[in-house]
Amino acid sequence: DAGVTQSPTHLIKTRGQQVTLRCSPKSGHDTVSWYQQALGQGPQFIFQYYEEEERQRGNFPDRFSGHQYPNYSSELNVNALLLGDSALYLCASSFPQGDYGYTFGSGTRLTVV
Amino acid sequence: AQSVTQLGSHVSVSEGALVLLRCNYSSSVPPYLFWYVQYPNQGLQLLLKYTSAATLVKGINGFEAEFKKSETSFHLTKPSAHMSDAAEYFCAVSERITSYDKVIFGPGTSLSVIP
Repeated sequence: DAGVTQSPTHLIKTRGQQVTLRCSPKSGHDTVSWYQQALGQGPQFIFQYYEEEERQRGNFPDRFSGHQYPNYSSELNVNALLLGDSALYLCASSFPQGDYGYTFGSGTRLTVV
Repeated sequence: AQSVTQLGSHVSVSEGALVLLRCNYSSSVPPYLFWYVQYPNQGLQLLLKYTSAATLVKGINGFEAEFKKSETSFHLTKPSAHMSDAAEYFCAVSERITSYDKVIFGPGTSLSVIP
C-alpha cells in the first residue's frame, strides 16, 4: 500500500518564477494538508483541502494556492517566488472519520536562487 | 489559537540513558496531541498520539508520552536511548472541533545520542 507520494523530490527555481508541487495521498485518505518547513524549524501549516475545496488556511500570502482533484491528489502552486520560499514542502494526508493522524510524504525540497 | 512549545532545541544523551523531550501546549479546547520524528532528508513519521483516551500513550520504537492536563504538558520519554534514535522530534497539537483537523507543530528538538 503506497503512502503519500510527492513530486518532484528536489527542484531549483529563480526568483519571480512560479512552481507547482504535486502530492498523491495515501490510499483511503481524502484530506490533504500542505506544510512549509524552513531549515531548522518546525512545519508551518499552509492550507488543507477536502472535497476539492480549501477548508483551512494558515498565515501565508495569496501567492500560495492549491488545488485538489476528484481522485484526492493535490497541487501546491507558488507564484512570484522569493528567496524566503526556499524550504522543504511537506504534504500530509488524513481521513477525518478514521484513525486520527497525518501520514506525511518525504517532501519536495525547493531552492530559490 | 493552539500552540506548542518545546523546551530545548538540542538534547544530548548517552546510549542507554533515559530520553526526555519536553512539550507544552496551549489549547482552548481539549486537545489532540502528537509526537512525530523526522530523520534527515525525510518526511515526518508519527511516533504516538493522544486522543482523549488513556493519558499514558505508548508509541513505536519504545517511546511513550504522558498527557498532564494540569501542567498542559505532553513530554516524550524512552527508558534507554539507542543510536538510531538520533533525529529531530516534533510535538504537535490539534483542536478537533470539526473534521478539519489542522495540526500545529512545535519548533522541534534535535536529539543526539552519544556512544
